[in-house]
Amino acid sequence: DGGITQSPKYLFRKEGQNVTLSCEQNLNHDAMYWYRQDPGQGLRLIYYSQIVNDFQKGDIAEGYSVSREKKESFPLTVTSAQKNPTAFYLCASSWTVTNYGYTFGSGTRLTVV
Amino acid sequence: AQTVTQSQPEMSVQEAETVTLSCTYDTSESDYYLFWYKQPPSRQMILVIRQEAYKQQNATENRFSVNFQKAAKSFSLKISDSQLGDAAMYFCAYRSGNAGGTSYGKLTFGQGTILTVHP
Repeated sequence: DGGITQSPKYLFRKEGQNVTLSCEQNLNHDAMYWYRQDPGQGLRLIYYSQIVNDFQKGDIAEGYSVSREKKESFPLTVTSAQKNPTAFYLCASSWTVTNYGYTFGSGTRLTVV
Repeated sequence: AQTVTQSQPEMSVQEAETVTLSCTYDTSESDYYLFWYKQPPSRQMILVIRQEAYKQQNATENRFSVNFQKAAKSFSLKISDSQLGDAAMYFCAYRSGNAGGTSYGKLTFGQGTILTVHP
């Protein structure tokens, strides 16, 4: 079955460490997105990529980095520069030109310990 | 930049009754798409319904329907015959249809409405 896989489901990070969240899709979608979800704030866009080897900053990119070396993969690194990284992270994908919304992964819950 | 506002942080409904969730948005574009997503306790985002701005007819998907008022920039979701499985967080979202714009392809979400269904 086609879909998006995020791993791990839960992730714990120590202060000062970088961590990488995985996102893989087999839908052949061109575009991929990373969102952060905090209570009472909805979903906020971190980074997005509409084509391999290209990506753009979203609304809250500071402290995060991404890469898009393969169409299927869009990993997100939460760096030590991100001051408040504890949140739920959602990856999504879509066709670039489409009338439809996104297909979402099941998310990663990141907690700083 | 586009904004999406959901003014009801929480709503509740009795099983089998009807509930309406509100959403307003702000945009200067004429070509766009609107969506309602459901996020149950599993936190998996599920597309409930979508609406193209150029269509006057309100979208309907089984028990879910929208009231799209383009001039008022309003996009409410009506859930009829509410079921216990409808309990979730609901998000309204906007997507630009302007292929040449900087916002093209990005979904902008509202803050969400938590819906509780009472048996």
